[in-house]
Amino acid sequence: ETGVTQSPTHLIKTRGQQVTLRCSSQSGHNTVSWYQQALGQGPQFIFQYYREEENGRGNFPPRFSGLQFPNYSSELNVNALELDDSALYLCASSPGMRGGPSGELFFGEGSRLTVL
Amino acid sequence: GQNIDQPTEMTATEGAIVQINCTYQTSGFNGLFWYQQHAGEAPTFLSYNVLDGLEEKGRFSSFLSRSKGYSYLLLKELQMKDSASYLCAPGGGNTGKLIFGQGTTLQVKP
Repeated sequence: ETGVTQSPTHLIKTRGQQVTLRCSSQSGHNTVSWYQQALGQGPQFIFQYYREEENGRGNFPPRFSGLQFPNYSSELNVNALELDDSALYLCASSPGMRGGPSGELFFGEGSRLTVL
Repeated sequence: GQNIDQPTEMTATEGAIVQINCTYQTSGFNGLFWYQQHAGEAPTFLSYNVLDGLEEKGRFSSFLSRSKGYSYLLLKELQMKDSASYLCAPGGGNTGKLIFGQGTTLQVKP
């Protein structure tokens, strides 16, 4: 069973650019949630996708957008990058909105974005 | 809204016991998660309490008091590999939309 994989693992962008981050969910999982984790902080919920539809959004501006594909993989797009967007972006999948057998999420290793 | 409070840092000695506390104020509460995150790695699930009381799982135990908005994670027989950040996250019915605390960085010393 393949776990959650994210790409790229590291990337550097400049202010004003756009970035696309990718996530392949664990086999059998139809729900993907994205989180932003700044250094020294806990992950902050960005949004969730369930069966290709956005299913809830955290306190992030519209320049953060996403997609989920028929195979349940997902993309996070961020436009007009700002310095404060520098963070670890985590993708988490689950076999439904209520999580795994104990309600848990399965996280990928993350994509570390640096904005200069 | 949500408000989660846990200590920023803790230090303990190998072989000892440590308790990491978490207090929370949240709407739509339906259980509380603890995750472990080693530096540079993904968070991994430790425990989920939906009812009051203590849940024991090997060296790790988690306690919940819903009326007090309080939880703790208890780590026994500490090992060096337990050095990590421990994240408290009260959840609603949709457990994909977790609100995490800032995390407690635990350093285990020889």
